[in-house]
Amino acid sequence: EDKVVQSPLSLVVHEGDTVTLNCSYEVTNFRSLLWYKQEKKAPTFLFMLTSSGIEKKSGRLSSILDKKELFSILNITATQTGDSAVYLCAVEAGGTSYGKLTFGQGTILTVHP
Amino acid sequence: ETGVTQSPTHLIKTRGQQVTLRCSSQSGHNTVSWYQQALGQGPQFIFQYYREEENGRGNFPPRFSGLQFPNYSSELNVNALELDDSALYLCASAGRGVYNEQFFGPGTRLTVL
Repeated sequence: EDKVVQSPLSLVVHEGDTVTLNCSYEVTNFRSLLWYKQEKKAPTFLFMLTSSGIEKKSGRLSSILDKKELFSILNITATQTGDSAVYLCAVEAGGTSYGKLTFGQGTILTVHP
Repeated sequence: ETGVTQSPTHLIKTRGQQVTLRCSSQSGHNTVSWYQQALGQGPQFIFQYYREEENGRGNFPPRFSGLQFPNYSSELNVNALELDDSALYLCASAGRGVYNEQFFGPGTRLTVL
């Protein structure tokens, strides 16, 4: 059974700090790994990492994928209070499980002013 | 904000009743997936529809069923509601290229009393 484990489960920092969120996974027939930010309801897409794209960056956020060690990290530099949210990691399998996302439990990030 | 919409926003039902949730996919997307997110957990895959047919199912009993219509919108039906069905129900739409980000709607909060 596919499995995704995120750590830490929660994190409290102050504005300006840098944070690193971790995601390890076990999946049969890996296709991609996705990061989402969930503030109230809808998870908002951040990054997709695949075999052909193992590093992504957008502003203060960046992510890498290590396919050999089966993990990914999401970095947020110079954190702001608006970064407070649940960050979800998900893996997508291929084959007969095409399109099925398996999510981790999420990391709750709280950024204090 | 994605182009994925869901209705209703909130719903309260009693045990044993039946419920129908609706989702309109983003323009150009032909695949819709449904997820159940219990409080404090990551979303869990229920099933996926592609071109009006079920295309993959998670570990949910048959009382969870769905439909996809020719315009790619979708319904999730749950019969014989149980207390544990209380959750946020998310739908996500995607295209069908080589790699496809799934974009989520705002969700329907279902409470079963």
